[in-house]
Amino acid sequence: DAGVIQSPRHEVTEMGQEVTLRCKPISGHNSLFWYRQTMMRGLELLIYFNNNVPIDDSGMPEDRFSAKMPNASFSTLKIQPSEPRDSAVYFCASSAGTSGVGGETQYFGPGTRLLVL
Amino acid sequence: AQKVTQAQTEISVVEKEDVTLDCVYETRDTTYYLFWYKQPPSGELVFLIRRNSFDEQNEISGRYSWNFQKSTSSFNFTITASQVVDSAVYFCALSEPPLQGGSEKLVFGKGTKLTVNP
Repeated sequence: DAGVIQSPRHEVTEMGQEVTLRCKPISGHNSLFWYRQTMMRGLELLIYFNNNVPIDDSGMPEDRFSAKMPNASFSTLKIQPSEPRDSAVYFCASSAGTSGVGGETQYFGPGTRLLVL
Repeated sequence: AQKVTQAQTEISVVEKEDVTLDCVYETRDTTYYLFWYKQPPSGELVFLIRRNSFDEQNEISGRYSWNFQKSTSSFNFTITASQVVDSAVYFCALSEPPLQGGSEKLVFGKGTKLTVNP
């Protein structure tokens, strides 16, 4: 079975440019999570969806960040405009969890390494 | 608030040594879940184990074992007879079910970087 798929794997862009990260969750999973990993802050949750609906976006750093999940098999995380401090590894994860139950195992994609110059 | 502490930032051992990675957590809830993930040098996050707060039995999987003690809020991870391929960053994480007031998210510790030297 395919795991969580993320694209691109690496992205180098210049400050001010728009960046779009993509994620395909594991088939049948109905919860999707976006995390960011930096040396300073470690792994932190940005936003998560359940059944394509955003449930908790309290971790989204600011209005420059937005996330969508138009269907059960695709999600995007967009940064516009990008800044050097956005440089990080962005992970997408999915689980078979049902909102209100919790505790299901999250399976992570390979991550997108973003560098904003 | 939920918190996970991995006090050991880096550990270095020689192959075949046993090594224990410590994890201490904080939560107000009686129902919660604990996880360990491995992040090898290639960068992906690999799921190792999930344990709920009502199951305090220790778990063994090959060379890996986990010791869960609610009395000390600890969920430690031991690798027996370590190998070079065990070199990675290991993360402990805590999740609370939303019905308890928490968000369905994983709160991660800062990780412990394990280096196994030949």
